[in-house]
Amino acid sequence: DADVTQTPRNRITKTGKRIMLECSQTKGHDRMYWYRQDPGLGLRLIYYSFDVKDINKGEISDGYSVSRQAQAKFSLSLESAIPNQTALYFCATSDVGGGRAINNEQFFGPGTRLTVL
Amino acid sequence: RKEVEQDPGPFNVPEGATVAFNCTYSNSASQSFFWYRQDCRKEPKLLMSVYSSGNEDGRFTAQLNRASQYISLLIRDSKLSDSATYLCVVGMRFGAGTRLTVKP
Repeated sequence: DADVTQTPRNRITKTGKRIMLECSQTKGHDRMYWYRQDPGLGLRLIYYSFDVKDINKGEISDGYSVSRQAQAKFSLSLESAIPNQTALYFCATSDVGGGRAINNEQFFGPGTRLTVL
Repeated sequence: RKEVEQDPGPFNVPEGATVAFNCTYSNSASQSFFWYRQDCRKEPKLLMSVYSSGNEDGRFTAQLNRASQYISLLIRDSKLSDSATYLCVVGMRFGAGTRLTVKP
């Protein structure tokens, strides 16, 4: 079984709809991340969480919210989807080793392809 | 200016060629540096971490220049299977990626 899973894998929705993307991990990592990927722009950080009680905004958090329900689960919500949120969304995890200021290897889920019409 | 910048390419090289990618970053306090590989429509996967003294893993060599704030990746003896997008990562910030195609 995959260590980092994302559901759904593909989703088509309409403008204005609320949508939730879910991420689960079995790696036992404390840190979890949400990124979006657009052609030519690479991965951009939306939100990250260093433990269950910690939520931090990334580069492009406007229009998104997150919930860290447990160590293993980190969900991303689009409260009112708009077409420019059409993208490939990745969840990732990493462990803590080295201290808060050190970032370790991230392990990615397979991605969720979201289309907002 | 983006925090992490890469030449988007594409780089088209013949098998056996040596190819180098560079990546510049703006945050001088950064402490973690990586190269990831991403195949088409797949998730990124770690290729190698980049250490201050430079490091090598088979055909791949990574280097860090803190004074000039860039990291590099050198691929020797390119294989067809090296065709992918290579992503530079500084901390939690990703570059846009450099597309490499190795041709027979």
